[in-house]
Amino acid sequence: DTAVSQTPKYLVTQMGNDKSIKCEQNLGHDTMYWYKQDSKKFLKIMFSYNNKELIINETVPNRFSPKSPDKAHLNLHINSLELGDSAVYFCASSQGSGIYGYTFGSGTRLTVV
Amino acid sequence: AQTVTQSQPEMSVQEAETVTLSCTYDTSESDYYLFWYKQPPSRQMILVIRQEAYKQQNATENRFSVNFQKAAKSFSLKISDSQLGDAAMYFCAYKGGTSYDKVIFGPGTSLSVIP
Repeated sequence: DTAVSQTPKYLVTQMGNDKSIKCEQNLGHDTMYWYKQDSKKFLKIMFSYNNKELIINETVPNRFSPKSPDKAHLNLHINSLELGDSAVYFCASSQGSGIYGYTFGSGTRLTVV
Repeated sequence: AQTVTQSQPEMSVQEAETVTLSCTYDTSESDYYLFWYKQPPSRQMILVIRQEAYKQQNATENRFSVNFQKAAKSFSLKISDSQLGDAAMYFCAYKGGTSYDKVIFGPGTSLSVIP
């Protein structure tokens, strides 16, 4: 039983398209995150939700919009995809503020062509 | 702003030997948390070990241990009896003590294990 599951694992799409990545956790955690890992493996936070409330919103293009329908789900929708959006996107969850660490999903490799 | 630095982009170790990965961070806070995460080729990020800044005792998890030097703002990871499965990217990470401070990751160290 996967603790944090992301779908899809791979996504290849053309520039200008709109796509979504879904994330679900079954750990009972109340905080979820989206991180972006670029081609140099650098990890940077994009968004964080606690109990469906947005608490971290980094400087990310408006084309990226997170949605948390409940505390077990955090989806990421991307409009008008650009070449520079190609990366691995990780969903993660934690109980509370994450002082005990995060549990990560296996990542979604997005390739924009 | 807090920063995390890993000065060794790549390292290698012989199987069964010991290796130490370096991490330094910059912060003005006195209360914070430090982590090491492992990312094998499978891409999955796995928490290896964590340290609370207010605890002087270094954390240990089986073959993994840390050397936490608060004054020097240093948090190195020691892997003993290295195994082939230890080959991975290792990320050092910092989280401030304020609720919902974001976790900041270092640039990573790629560790190879030589049979």
